[in-house]
Amino acid sequence: DAGVTQSPTHLIKTRGQQVTLRCSPKSGHDTVSWYQQALGQGPQFIFQYYEEEERQRGNFPDRFSGHQFPNYSSELNVNALLLGDSALYLCASSLRIGRISDEQFFGPGTRLTVL
Amino acid sequence: AQKVTQAQTEISVVEKEDVTLDCVYETRDTTYYLFWYKQPPSGELVFLIRRNSFDEQNEISGRYSWNFQKSTSSFNFTITASQVVDSAVYFCALSSVGTASKLTFGTGTRLQVTL
Repeated sequence: DAGVTQSPTHLIKTRGQQVTLRCSPKSGHDTVSWYQQALGQGPQFIFQYYEEEERQRGNFPDRFSGHQFPNYSSELNVNALLLGDSALYLCASSLRIGRISDEQFFGPGTRLTVL
Repeated sequence: AQKVTQAQTEISVVEKEDVTLDCVYETRDTTYYLFWYKQPPSGELVFLIRRNSFDEQNEISGRYSWNFQKSTSSFNFTITASQVVDSAVYFCALSSVGTASKLTFGTGTRLQVTL
């Protein structure tokens, strides 16, 4: 049973560029959440996708956008990259039952470096 | 707003010592979940436990135990007879019932277990 997978593992971009990160949820899961973890900090919630719609959003600017596909996989897009966007981006998947979501399983993350 | 505080930035112990990681949380919600996650150097967050606010029964699972005290808004985590493989960053997290698992994390406690 494959867990949550993310690609790429590492990414180096320059300021102003755009980046797309990808996530495949654990088998049987239908909800994907994205988190940003700066060095030495705890993960910060970016947004969550369920039924191909953004359901919740954290305190992140519109430069951060996402998408969920019919197979439940998801993409995180960041436009106009800033140095401060350098972080580990974590994807988490879960199964939603009504308004409650079961425990989240996290992927290994994508390390984004902005130069 | 929700907040999770992990006052211990770093803890170092010698193998076989017991160690307790502290977590204090703030929420206006009456129903919520509390979590502990482990993040080894590989970066992937590993789920350890979830407790809901209705269940203050403390639990022991192998070398792990948890102490949930609603009166003091604390959710502490103890590792008995620590091992070198326990070395990691440990995060306490909080989510509200009904928000479909949006997690608010603390800043983490780095645990170093040496021989």
